[in-house]
Amino acid sequence: RKEVEQDPGPFNVPEGATVAFNCTYSNSASQSFFWYRQDCRKEPKLLMSVYSSGNEDGRFTAQLNRASQYISLLIRDSKLSDSATYLCVVTLSGSARQLTFGSGTQLTVLP
Amino acid sequence: DGGITQSPKYLFRKEGQNVTLSCEQNLNHDAMYWYRQDPGQGLRLIYYSQIVNDFQKGDIAEGYSVSREKKESFPLTVTSAQKNPTAFYLCASSISIANEKLFFGSGTQLSVL
Repeated sequence: RKEVEQDPGPFNVPEGATVAFNCTYSNSASQSFFWYRQDCRKEPKLLMSVYSSGNEDGRFTAQLNRASQYISLLIRDSKLSDSATYLCVVTLSGSARQLTFGSGTQLTVLP
Repeated sequence: DGGITQSPKYLFRKEGQNVTLSCEQNLNHDAMYWYRQDPGQGLRLIYYSQIVNDFQKGDIAEGYSVSREKKESFPLTVTSAQKNPTAFYLCASSISIANEKLFFGSGTQLSVL
């Protein structure tokens, strides 16, 4: 079983749609969780951290379910510019050395 | 503006050749990292450095070497021992090894001729 698993997609959605991605992780001791966005052949960029209580940043909402060991990302009112690959990242501790990256979920927002 | 600069953007390697990927940062970060990304896979850690003159193997270090002679620079050499070098290589840095927030360079695409 992979340490971090994501549905690779692709998710093709019309502009204005709401789309949700899930990511499961295998190590119950995992401490920190993140969503990164990566455009094709470019560097990943931190989209948001995921907190136990859930958190929202504009059209983006991230949630953590420790009991079921998954995190989710919800994008409301999708824009064309949201088209990218979304990476789920998990770490056991507060160390970048132990970051584990998922393989990413590809999103295409269609006009 | 502070950031991480990787060069070249594209690199081609001949059979049996060693090639070196450059990574420079002016963020004054102590820790630096090299990742490899293959299509449909997550980033995998090749080497990391906590501080100048120190570096440690990551999860897939075989066929690679690094040096950290200056705080700003962390070059990666892909040696001829790496039999499948074609991939997208990303350099990153963080304030320290204990800090999870990574800053990435724009990447180098390495291909084999």
